[in-house]
Amino acid sequence: GESVGLHLPTLSVQEGDNSIINCAYSNSASDYFIWYKQESGKGPQFIIDIRSNMDKRQGQRVTVLLNKTVKHLSLQIAATQPGDSAVYFCAEPGSGYALNFGKGTSLLVTP
Amino acid sequence: NAGVTQTPKFQVLKTGQSMTLQCAQDMNHNSMYWYRQDPGMGLRLIYYSASEGTTDKGEVPNGYNVSRLNKREFSLRLESAAPSQTSVYFCATTLQGNNSPLHFGNGTRLTVT
Repeated sequence: GESVGLHLPTLSVQEGDNSIINCAYSNSASDYFIWYKQESGKGPQFIIDIRSNMDKRQGQRVTVLLNKTVKHLSLQIAATQPGDSAVYFCAEPGSGYALNFGKGTSLLVTP
Repeated sequence: NAGVTQTPKFQVLKTGQSMTLQCAQDMNHNSMYWYRQDPGMGLRLIYYSASEGTTDKGEVPNGYNVSRLNKREFSLRLESAAPSQTSVYFCATTLQGNNSPLHFGNGTRLTVT
């Protein structure tokens, strides 16, 4: 069946560097994608979303890029800070009212 | 403005016991969801309520029941808990459906011994 997946399970970056977290999706009909951040002991927190009629969307220190040709989604975090350490999930609509989540990438920011 | 509130935060049950997980939202959202999160399995949808008065099964509904009590509240019941239901349970809401972001509570950590 269709699934959302992540290329790298863990990512370690130095404070101040830029981070890139990747996500591959397999449902070419998906028209909406969301990135979530989950800190230890908390629920997933919405970061940014993008619709399929766009290829780039920017937020505060974050940018999401969508490449529909290769069905690839990425989250870029500029000037990564210790508070960015968390697990990041991409998600897309599934059947009915469901959202399908990837397994997550753990981002570790080192001083 | 509390967003999505889940109670309790932690719970330990013995096999066969029952319990109800509570979720309340003050965001005036129409759709509410229950997910479980297990290591290596990601977030899986148990049940959802597209709007007040409706509920539907998600990916892993067996062993659970839900009640959409009103627009604000959506509860998840385990009638006879099993060790396989040890998990972290998240309630979430959206304004409408799955074309808008989910807003999550901070979860209920359930252990079934």
